[in-house]
Amino acid sequence: QVQLVQSGAEVKKPGASVKVSCKASGYTFTGYYMHWVRQAPGQGLEWMGRINPNSGGTNYAQKFQGRVTMTRDTSISTAYMELSRLRSDDTAVYYCARRGLYCSSTSCYAKGMDVWGQGTTVTVSS
Amino acid sequence: DIQMTQSPSSLSASVGDRVTITCQASQDISNYLNWYQQKPGKAPKLLIYDASNLETGVPSRFSGSGSGTDFTFTISSLQPEDIATYYCQQYDNLPPLFTFGPGTKVDIK
Repeated sequence: QVQLVQSGAEVKKPGASVKVSCKASGYTFTGYYMHWVRQAPGQGLEWMGRINPNSGGTNYAQKFQGRVTMTRDTSISTAYMELSRLRSDDTAVYYCARRGLYCSSTSCYAKGMDVWGQGTTVTVSS
Repeated sequence: DIQMTQSPSSLSASVGDRVTITCQASQDISNYLNWYQQKPGKAPKLLIYDASNLETGVPSRFSGSGSGTDFTFTISSLQPEDIATYYCQQYDNLPPLFTFGPGTKVDIK
């Protein structure tokens, strides 16, 4: 079945970096954009950016520009999100999510984020 | 950047009630609007895409409508398993930008 499996929880000190992995299975990894979304405790959802697994091209939310790096390894169908210079307000659950496609008889179109990882809790604390 | 507002921020309704949530964009986003359901401790789940298209496998009691700046999400007959927080999400393609609304928490009365 189609699924995304993320790496385990992390505890980091302020100023450190964290790298979260997201392993895809059950579909063609390079055929769908992968997004990263985070959720601070008790808060809403925040889009961080996306990567095109086929080309490696990335787009980041302005808030995270300069601190986030999204990469992928197509040989193992895995996407990565690295966040540097961590602060206490980076404490959150980080999700990877596939942006789905729907197809007519002639074309395919992007839809919402239809497959999500289970989330990775990142705690930033001194 | 486009801002998204949702109302109400929370609501309490009885089983079988019709529930309506609205989402408003700060500028015209055509139909580039998705709806998600998130239960406590779980990842979000896509319910509606492009404002009104029901995601495969989602019960037909969920529906969405609207275009431009004003959108509506409806549960036609609230069920106990619908207790969750619901988020709208808009997307731009140039440049790529995805913005979630603040969410609406739905409880059973």
